[in-house]
Amino acid sequence: IAGITQAPTSQILAAGRRMTLRCTQDMRHNAMYWYRQDLGLGLRLIHYSNTAGTTGKGEVPDGYSVSRANTDDFPLTLASAVPSQTSVYFCASSDSAGGEQYFGPGTRLTVT
Amino acid sequence: DQQVKQNSPSLSVQEGRISILNCDYTNSMFDYFLWYKKYPAEGPTFLISISSIKDKNEDGRFTVFLNKSAKHLSLHIVPSQPGDSAVYFCAASEYNFNKFYFGSGTKLNVKP
Repeated sequence: IAGITQAPTSQILAAGRRMTLRCTQDMRHNAMYWYRQDLGLGLRLIHYSNTAGTTGKGEVPDGYSVSRANTDDFPLTLASAVPSQTSVYFCASSDSAGGEQYFGPGTRLTVT
Repeated sequence: DQQVKQNSPSLSVQEGRISILNCDYTNSMFDYFLWYKKYPAEGPTFLISISSIKDKNEDGRFTVFLNKSAKHLSLHIVPSQPGDSAVYFCAASEYNFNKFYFGSGTKLNVKP
């Protein structure tokens, strides 16, 4: 059982380019989340989804979009990357909204 | 402004002694609190949680204390072990569980 996988592991991206970070879970969890981790700020919620077909905005949603077409996948898209989006991105899932979250290994993104 | 704060960026403790990690929050609507542990290059892993109807929750060497009037929670690790060396994040959510707010983390170093 893989749990949660994220791809790519790391990426260097030119400013203005479009990028999709992938997240897949095999635990059939209903809820999924995207966070970014920045030094001194901890993890901040970008977007979440309580169940397939629904999404919601987190604490720092600007510049990001998500979709939840099925239970397993929750991609995060940066339509036009900016240097302030340089961060480590973590995807997480939980069996239900509010349950303990299982995190993926993260994607380190550098926007130049 | 961060709603969950961990004011100690780091803590160093001798093996076998108690580690106490602190967390403060500002939002009185928070009623569910969690602690996560994170090793370098990995995603956070769930450690222990507590709801606002309790003031203490224990799981083996880990105990979380909640003081609602002071908007303060703490994680006690007894006895501390070198393998506990990691970054610890506290997180909080309101009753709807849609959004989790994380602190900036405390790096614990347990010295052999």
